[in-house]
Amino acid sequence: DADVTQTPRNRITKTGKRIMLECSQTKGHDRMYWYRQDPGLGLRLIYYSFDVKDINKGEISDGYSVSRQAQAKFSLSLESAIPNQTALYFCATSGPPWDSHYNEQFFGPGTRLTVL
Amino acid sequence: DAKTTQPNSMESNEEEPVHLPCNHSTISGTDYIHWYRQLPSQGPEYVIHGLTSNVNNRMASLAIAEDRKSSTLILHRATLRDAAVYYCILNNAGGTSYGKLTFGQGTILTVHP
Repeated sequence: DADVTQTPRNRITKTGKRIMLECSQTKGHDRMYWYRQDPGLGLRLIYYSFDVKDINKGEISDGYSVSRQAQAKFSLSLESAIPNQTALYFCATSGPPWDSHYNEQFFGPGTRLTVL
Repeated sequence: DAKTTQPNSMESNEEEPVHLPCNHSTISGTDYIHWYRQLPSQGPEYVIHGLTSNVNNRMASLAIAEDRKSSTLILHRATLRDAAVYYCILNNAGGTSYGKLTFGQGTILTVHP
């Protein structure tokens, strides 16, 4: 089974609708991240969380909100979706400084979101 | 965060070595150099990272210039599965910002059979 899962994998919605993208991980990591990727471009950080009580904005947080329901779950919400939020969304996790994989981020398979 | 510069694309033949360059002239002393790659239709995956010394792992080698202003990711024998976008990323080890990755456009590697 995949360590980082995202649901849904694909979603088409209309302008103005509220959308929630969910991320779950079984790696036991405290740190979780949400990125978006636009065609032909690299990933940009939306929000990140270093533990359940810690939520931080990334470089493009406007129009998005997040919820860290538990160590294993980190959800991204679009309160009122707009067409320029059409993108590929990735969730990622990383371990604490004492973890042998501290320097690695583990990414989910992505959610393709289309806003009409 | 300091920026990196990579060629937009590179090509290689299968089973030949590939050297992917990255320039980071404004790197600070506490910036780690990370490489990730993104295979088609997948999320990025970690390849390797280093600070000052050259590094080897099962996937690749990382050669870091003595002045740390550039680095090279080396794939010793390219396979078709290595065709991907390769991202060179600097990540500052200081403070709580460590872990936030800033992706550029990366280098698209094409591997020919």
